[in-house]
Amino acid sequence: DVKVTQSSRYLVKRTGEKVFLECVQDMDHENMFWYRQDPGLGLRLIYFSYDVKMKEKGDIPEGYSVSREKKERFSLILESASTNQTSMYLCASRVGQGYGYTFGSGTRLTVV
Amino acid sequence: DQQVKQNSPSLSVQEGRISILNCDYTNSMFDYFLWYKKYPAEGPTFLISISSIKDKNEDGRFTVFLNKSAKHLSLHIVPSQPGDSAVYFCAASEAGTASKLTFGTGTRLQVTL
Repeated sequence: DVKVTQSSRYLVKRTGEKVFLECVQDMDHENMFWYRQDPGLGLRLIYFSYDVKMKEKGDIPEGYSVSREKKERFSLILESASTNQTSMYLCASRVGQGYGYTFGSGTRLTVV
Repeated sequence: DQQVKQNSPSLSVQEGRISILNCDYTNSMFDYFLWYKKYPAEGPTFLISISSIKDKNEDGRFTVFLNKSAKHLSLHIVPSQPGDSAVYFCAASEAGTASKLTFGTGTRLQVTL
C-alpha cells in the first residue's frame, strides 16, 4: 500500500522558533507538495518540488522554505514561526499529470 | 484570486437521497479535475477524476459531471450514506504546471439518518 508519511501529527511551537515538518513517500514519485488547510480558505499551495534539489514557490511561500535532498523526502521549514502559521499542514506526492495526489495524514501545528 | 470556487460551504442530505456538490472554475487552461474527500484529522483521499475531453465519469455511487462551456463541475453521490459525511474538495490542474493542483475551499457534507 502506497504511503505518504508526515513525521508529526501534532506540534506546538513558540513564536520565533525554527520549525521543521518532514514528509516521506515510498512511491518513487517525482512531484511532492506542501499545502496548508485553513477554514474557509481550502488548501493553499506553499511550495512544490518536481525533482531532487528542485523547488518552486506556490501561492503562499512567504515565511517558508523547503528542502529536497532525496527523492523520497520533502521538508517544510518555518524560518521563524509566527502565530498566523498555526494551521493544518498537508504533504502530498503525485506521479504526474493525469493522476491524483496521495496525501499524508497532516500535521496540526500550533504556534503560541 | 480564487480560480476554483465551491460556493456552498455546507450541505445536509438525508440518507438514501442524492447529494450534489458543485464547483466552478475560472481558468480555461485547466484540463483535469478531481474530487477529494477529507475526514477530520486525516489527509484528503482521492475520490474521482475527469479529464476535460469527457463530460461524465462514473465510479460506483459517485459520478462527476463536467460542463466546460459553463466552467462548472459537479459531484453526485447516490445513494448518500452516513459514512459520506466529510468535507469535499474539488481540484483542478493545468497541463504543463508540474502537476500542481488548485483546490476549492471545500463543502462540508452531512448525511443525516
